[in-house]
Amino acid sequence: AQSVTQLGSHVSVSEGALVLLRCNYSSSVPPYLFWYVQYPNQGLQLLLKYTTGATLVKGINGFEAEFKKSETSFHLTKPSAHMSDAAEYFCAVLRSGGYNKLIFGAGTRLAVHP
Amino acid sequence: DAGVTQSPTHLIKTRGQQVTLRCSPKSGHDTVSWYQQALGQGPQFIFQYYEEEERQRGNFPDRFSGHQFPNYSSELNVNALLLGDSALYLCASSLPIPQETQYFGPGTRLLVL
Repeated sequence: AQSVTQLGSHVSVSEGALVLLRCNYSSSVPPYLFWYVQYPNQGLQLLLKYTTGATLVKGINGFEAEFKKSETSFHLTKPSAHMSDAAEYFCAVLRSGGYNKLIFGAGTRLAVHP
Repeated sequence: DAGVTQSPTHLIKTRGQQVTLRCSPKSGHDTVSWYQQALGQGPQFIFQYYEEEERQRGNFPDRFSGHQFPNYSSELNVNALLLGDSALYLCASSLPIPQETQYFGPGTRLLVL
């Protein structure tokens, strides 16, 4: 069965500092992987996704993630945090079987302080 | 281009009641998925509709049911509400291709008292 583990339910960084949000997955087949962001009282917005091809994926708002098969990881990074990046971030894997059912991690709440 | 819309935005019900939530997919999308997001947790898949049929179902009881209309909009119905059904209910639309992005609506926040 596929699953996602997000290490660290809360991460706090200073404005301008590196953001690193960790995600590890388990999957018996090559996965499709996603990062979504959720701002307070809103739905989920796609940041980036990995399906096939280049393992370094660039997304919106300066975020990127690298698919590392050997480490079963898909960590999300941003070189310099902005106050507006404060939100909840979810990593998700697409369940195999032909249908696009997403399996989400528990989420990481990112706080950015001045 | 309108994105995914959901109604109502908030809802308060009492235990034992029934509720219906509505979702209109993004233009051009024909597949609708529903997720339940309890407070402090990631979304959990409830079910998915395509061509007016339930195509896949998560680990939710039969109290949760749905429907998809010819215009691809969808409803989620929950019967015999429990306190534990209090959550944010998210609708996502997409094309019926596995790697296609699912676009989420703003959600309906349900509180069961």
